[in-house]
This record gives sequence, structure tokens and C-alpha cells, in this order.
Amino acid sequence: AQSVTQLGSHVSVSEGALVLLRCNYSSSVPPYLFWYVQYPNQGLQLLLKYTSAATLVKGINGFEAEFKKSETSFHLTKPSAHMSDAAEYFCAVGGSGGYNKLIFGAGTRLAVHP
Amino acid sequence: EADIYQTPRYLVIGTGKKITLECSQTMGHDKMYWYQQDPGMELHLIHYSYGVNSTEKGDLSSESTVSRIRTEHFPLTLESARPSHTSQYLCASSEYDRGRGNTIYFGEGSWLTVV
Repeated sequence: AQSVTQLGSHVSVSEGALVLLRCNYSSSVPPYLFWYVQYPNQGLQLLLKYTSAATLVKGINGFEAEFKKSETSFHLTKPSAHMSDAAEYFCAVGGSGGYNKLIFGAGTRLAVHP
Repeated sequence: EADIYQTPRYLVIGTGKKITLECSQTMGHDKMYWYQQDPGMELHLIHYSYGVNSTEKGDLSSESTVSRIRTEHFPLTLESARPSHTSQYLCASSEYDRGRGNTIYFGEGSWLTVV
């Protein structure tokens, strides 16, 4: 069975500050891990994904995430927040194989203030 | 990236009406999905399909039905809408890559309000 826990339903940072969104997963098989971003009234856009090729994954818009197997974590970071980063962020886990489904976390709403 | 189109984007209908939410993708992906998302809440998988003539129920029970007659098309139907069906419905598709796994790409969503 797989599950995802996102710590903190709301995160608020100042513009220019570090963004850290936490995600912990549970998986009985080697996981594929994803971060998606959702802007208001829109669908989900893929930010980045981990597929075992490298533990540090770089995504779009300056975001990156590090896979830590010992901590079962896949936290999302960005060195300097921008106002346009305000959105809802979802972490998701999927198993290996061709027919896996993604299990999503509850989401973290990021607010960026001047 | 996959191109996935959902129509309508926004719909307000009366109780008891039949509605179909359309979803089409142009990348030839075998797998397609419908997720339901209430405002500010997490996503729940309600239907998925491995290919033509294949449909399965997802993790969240739903009164909606789906069909997959063509690879590119995966419509969702509610025979008799109720206010409890008010939600956002997100369509998605994916193609499995042996080395990179199963990445899911989403459409922009259909907001359904039943009054």
C-alpha cells in the first residue's frame, strides 16, 4: 500500500525567502514520486518527478526536491520565493510498473507575501 | 507534455439533469483517469482506463460512469445530477515509460455546480 503525508496544509513565506514544502511517503515498492502545482481554477501541472535516476531532482520554475530513502521524504524547495509561486502544491506517490495509479497528498497551500 | 482538453470548464445545472463531461487527449496515451477534487481538498481517483473498452472504478466511490470507445476520448456521465455532485472533475492521461515510470498529465478541470 502507498500513502503520502504533506506536513502543513498552509505555508506562508516572504518574497525572496526559502520555500520548503514537506512530503513523506509510504510505499511497499520502490516509489516514483511527484510534485504537482495547482493555480486557482486550473488543473495540476507537473513540477518534477523522482524515478530513481538521481536523488536530487530539478523541476520547473526553480523548484527542486531531494529523495531521502532513510527518511522516506521528498521535500520540495526553492531558494527564493516569488509572488507567482503562490498556489496549491501536491505531492504524489506511484509504484513501479505500467499500471500504477498515483496517490496524492492533501496538498499544501503556499502564500507569498511582500 | 500531453495535451488534454476538458469541456465544459464551468457548468451550472439543475438537480436531476443528465450531464457529460468531455475529455480528450492528443498524445495517444493508453491510460486515462478521472479525479474528483472538492475546493481546497485532496484529489480522489474515481475512474481509470487502461485502454479502449477498459474502465475501472477508482478509490473513491462515485455515481458517475465512464466509457472508453476511442483511445483519445474518456467522457464522464452523471445520469441524474445532485447537489452532492458539486465538485471539480480533473481528467488525466499517462503513458508508461519503462525507465521513467508512469507520469500523469492533467487537463484544466471541469467545475460542476448542481443547484
